Amino acid sequence: EIVLTQSPDFQSVTPKEKVTITCRASQSIGSSLHWYQQKPDQSPKLLIKYASQSFSGVPSRFSGSGSGTDFTLTINSLEAEDAATYYCHQSSSLNTFGQGTKLEIK
Amino acid sequence: QVQLQESGPGLVKPSGTLSLTCAVSGGSISSSNWWSWIRQPPGKGLEWIGEIYHSGSTNYNPSLKSRVTISVDKSKNQFSLKLSSVTAADTAVYYCARNQGVVVPAAFDYWGQGTLVTVSS
Repeated sequence: EIVLTQSPDFQSVTPKEKVTITCRASQSIGSSLHWYQQKPDQSPKLLIKYASQSFSGVPSRFSGSGSGTDFTLTINSLEAEDAATYYCHQSSSLNTFGQGTKLEIK
Repeated sequence: QVQLQESGPGLVKPSGTLSLTCAVSGGSISSSNWWSWIRQPPGKGLEWIGEIYHSGSTNYNPSLKSRVTISVDKSKNQFSLKLSSVTAADTAVYYCARNQGVVVPAAFDYWGQGTLVTVSS
């Protein structure tokens, strides 16, 4: 099983700040890494597919990068509505998710 | 716009079988997509349970494989989950989701709203 480890687990940030969340895979997964945003009592929403491709309708402040085992989700100029938990997901070998990163807005 | 809707009992007794159905609308379950079940225990992260293709091919999470069956009903445009021998650890919000990959799995682009299933006597 491919294990995904996200860091940090929790981050408290101020509006307009730049945020970086990382996801490390236990073995190489190419670009088969996707990012989701989940707000309380809502279903997860796809943000980035295949490491760096923005999903339709996602604000341009969200971007992704990486390949192999190391990946990054970046949120530029954070907005209050970005308070959520973010998950990475790999589809290279079956499916697994990272443990999540909770983003709190100060 | 594809929509998914989970349905099924919200309470299941320990050692019983959890059964859920996901109805797909706005699209065909016979499209070139995989269809998944994913769960989330209260206050915890996401766990992929398994997936099915319209042909009936399935893949399961190895940690749950012995207890899981996913099936498809093309005539009703829906797919289903059965999880046997449940315990309190199976209490979770259960989501169904579409994998947007064409034949080869990729990201989950459409999700149901989720349904809470509690395992308790």
